[in-house]
Amino acid sequence: GAVVSQHPSRVICKSGTSVKIECRSLDFQATTMFWYRQFPKQSLMLMATSNEGSKATYEQGVEKDKFLINHASLTLSTLTVTSAHPEDSSFYICSARDRSTGWNYGYTFGSGTRLTVV
Amino acid sequence: SQQGEEDPQALSIQEGENATMNCSYKTSINNLQWYRQNSGRGLVHLILIRSNEREKHSGRLRVTLDTSKKSSSLLITASRAADTASYFCATDAPNDYKLSFGAGTTVTVRA
Repeated sequence: GAVVSQHPSRVICKSGTSVKIECRSLDFQATTMFWYRQFPKQSLMLMATSNEGSKATYEQGVEKDKFLINHASLTLSTLTVTSAHPEDSSFYICSARDRSTGWNYGYTFGSGTRLTVV
Repeated sequence: SQQGEEDPQALSIQEGENATMNCSYKTSINNLQWYRQNSGRGLVHLILIRSNEREKHSGRLRVTLDTSKKSSSLLITASRAADTASYFCATDAPNDYKLSFGAGTTVTVRA
């Protein structure tokens, strides 16, 4: 089945630095990927929709300059948390859908990245 | 945006028992999906039910959908310790591929 690889799984960074998270579709092409943020014991909040070859679409309240998204190829989207602060600490998850398989298989999610800003 | 409410928030059952959780949503949907998330991990797709379907089965999973009540239920039969996880419903609106997730139900299956 479709596999989405997300790296790193965990990262600790200092305040003020930037962190890049990668999301790769391993065996399918993903023209669209989605980035979510999840706080402990809470649900997933959609941050942005990443579109291959064009600008990402951000959800209301998500700072575009804070969370930079690049989707330069059909298999790779990256989320860069710029000038990270402790309040950016969270679990970030990406997802994509293999359109060739139709709707019955839903979306495939990466394994998530636990970001801790100290 | 969040549009799903799930209940219960948490459920603790004995191995072998059935687990039922419910999801309600607010706007028209294209599909409703259920996902499982093990602690600290990504989500795994369990089952998708289309808006014109009322019931769907997959192994030990049974999903119902009542579009008139804007609600869905997920039943896990003969639960196992490995079913311990959080379960989320997610909906997407017609002509919109973005998923909106419910708050989730945390299921603990005691051996």
